[in-house]
Amino acid sequence: QQQVKQSPQSLIVQKGGISIINCAYENTAFDYFPWYQQFPGKGPALLIAIRPDVSEKKEGRFTISFNKSAKQFSLHIMDSQPGDSATYFCAASRETSGSRLTFGEGTQLTVNP
Amino acid sequence: DAEITQSPRHKITETGRQVTLACHQTWNHNNMFWYRQDLGHGLRLIHYSYGVHDTNKGEVSDGYSVSRSNTEDLPLTLESAASSQTSVYFCASSGAKGDTEAFFGQGTRLTVV
Repeated sequence: QQQVKQSPQSLIVQKGGISIINCAYENTAFDYFPWYQQFPGKGPALLIAIRPDVSEKKEGRFTISFNKSAKQFSLHIMDSQPGDSATYFCAASRETSGSRLTFGEGTQLTVNP
Repeated sequence: DAEITQSPRHKITETGRQVTLACHQTWNHNNMFWYRQDLGHGLRLIHYSYGVHDTNKGEVSDGYSVSRSNTEDLPLTLESAASSQTSVYFCASSGAKGDTEAFFGQGTRLTVV
């Protein structure tokens, strides 16, 4: 049972474009929603995270939008760059579970020059 | 600098053999996790530990075991390796609070032939 569903599986955008990755979750007990970025041959690394008490969080070119009623959240990458080409994972956890993360399936992003 | 290291980085083993993957962190984190990464499934939790002598089963724990004898190490053992366990394995650690960053190792690519 996949508790966090992520789409699309792969995404190709042109340099300077906007990349959008969507996730939906089932467990309403989740209260922490991070996005991880993974480059080939490396482990995932935290990119940005949000708590459900806010609807949006922005850090530089990266923004999380959160819709609690729809149980959905998304990552927007503005002005996408070739260096952003990586695999992106959304995840969810409960604060009481000590960062025990449930991951989405992953999105392979390619940004063409 | 604090870090989390996995060894070996690559391993080929035969079906039926016992295999142990090492994970060592110098963050002094209480929480440690093992995930496996497979295409189309994202990262799935195998086992986790919230402290010394504490171990818990994750989503895909069958055929795997862990032990936590100190804060720094959480070795993952495949009791009798199977081809279905061919995967990339990631170890992670985090602080006690649920909304803190989880730090991942570089991964171990295991092939069972």
